Amino acid sequence: EIVLTQSPGTLSLSPGERATLSCRASQSVSSSYFAWYQQKPGQAPRLLIYGASSRATGIPDRFSGSGSGTDFTLAISRLEPEDFAIYYCQRYGSSPTWTFGQGTKVEIK
Amino acid sequence: QVQLVESGGGLVKPGGSLRLSCAASGFTFSDYYMSWIRQAPGKGLEWVSYISNTGSSTYYADSVKGRFTISRDNAKNSLYLQMNSLRVEDMAVYYCARDPSPYSGAFDIWGQGTVVTVSS
Repeated sequence: EIVLTQSPGTLSLSPGERATLSCRASQSVSSSYFAWYQQKPGQAPRLLIYGASSRATGIPDRFSGSGSGTDFTLAISRLEPEDFAIYYCQRYGSSPTWTFGQGTKVEIK
Repeated sequence: QVQLVESGGGLVKPGGSLRLSCAASGFTFSDYYMSWIRQAPGKGLEWVSYISNTGSSTYYADSVKGRFTISRDNAKNSLYLQMNSLRVEDMAVYYCARDPSPYSGAFDIWGQGTVVTVSS
């Protein structure tokens, strides 16, 4: 079973700063089936990135995804107040099965 | 607009059953594969089950296999999750979500969730 490990657990930053979130897979995964989500308190998750680097509909270009193999990154170029939330990575694999990381909380410093 | 609305959550005793529903609107439901994903209190996301657009293919997480059944009624634009033999560890917010294309790996539309509480 492939495990996704996100780091750091919590990222404390100020508005306007750059955020870099990491997701590491225990085995190589296909970037075609790798996604990132944002979740705010009391809300459902929102798809940000699919295929490791493609932005979902309506997602601002300050969000970008990259990576391949076992290492994937979500970057937020300049944090806006509405970007403080929890972010999850996710992969789809054979069986089929979908696996999520444990989440990274981006909080206001 | 494109929308998913879950219902059917509630309080149930361990060993009990519950049936969740998800009503879809704003898109051609019968064209899309769908999934259930849950989130235990204060925890992360866990995929639960997945169904093809016709309902002919279904998949389950090991944690629910044999206890939960996913189904759909395309005439009613509805997705269901029948949950039997519920355990305390099944307590969570349950979301239905849409796969934008078969086995795409991502879920582009999510409902607001329905809360399932399992307690004696």
